[in-house]
Amino acid sequence: RKEVEQDPGPFNVPEGATVAFNCTYSNSASQSFFWYRQDCRKEPKLLMSVYSSGNEDGRFTAQLNRASQYISLLIRDSKLSDSATYLCVGDAYDYKLSFGAGTTVTVRA
Amino acid sequence: ETGVTQSPTHLIKTRGQQVTLRCSSQSGHNTVSWYQQALGQGPQFIFQYYREEENGRGNFPPRFSGLQFPNYSSELNVNALELDDSALYLCASSGPGSDRGAGYTFGSGTRLTVV
Repeated sequence: RKEVEQDPGPFNVPEGATVAFNCTYSNSASQSFFWYRQDCRKEPKLLMSVYSSGNEDGRFTAQLNRASQYISLLIRDSKLSDSATYLCVGDAYDYKLSFGAGTTVTVRA
Repeated sequence: ETGVTQSPTHLIKTRGQQVTLRCSSQSGHNTVSWYQQALGQGPQFIFQYYREEENGRGNFPPRFSGLQFPNYSSELNVNALELDDSALYLCASSGPGSDRGAGYTFGSGTRLTVV
């Protein structure tokens, strides 16, 4: 079983829509969580950290539920530039980051 | 402040050959990690180097090896290439005081194709 599992999508939404997706993690030793964004054939870039209390960064809201080992990302008022693959990432402080396979989001005009 | 640079950007090799990929870490970063990303998958951890020593290793065979140099740059070597080694190889650097997973800077990767 993979440490981080994600709904692969794709999520195809119109501009201005809200899109939400989630991931689950199996390693209960995971301490920190992140969402990374990866554009086609490019390197992953940090989108935001995820805190247990939930946190927002502009149009992006992330939630962490440690009891259910579940992480979510919500994008409000989608822009064309939000089209990308979103990678859910766990860090168990064991030298590595554990990446999910990614959720693909396509925002159409 | 320069970011992480990787070379070459693309590479085609024949099964059984050996390959060396290179990474220059971001200024001030002393830790380098290597990841393999197959098509449609997330990056998978290969190993990490700190102070020129392997600091942790993922589930990859010994034919995957690495080096870190005093200037913190790094190499990834793969021997006896297999078709399944075809992937995007990503180098990520981090430094003292980096905020764990939020403190990684990834290079743009080397796309390796094994034929």
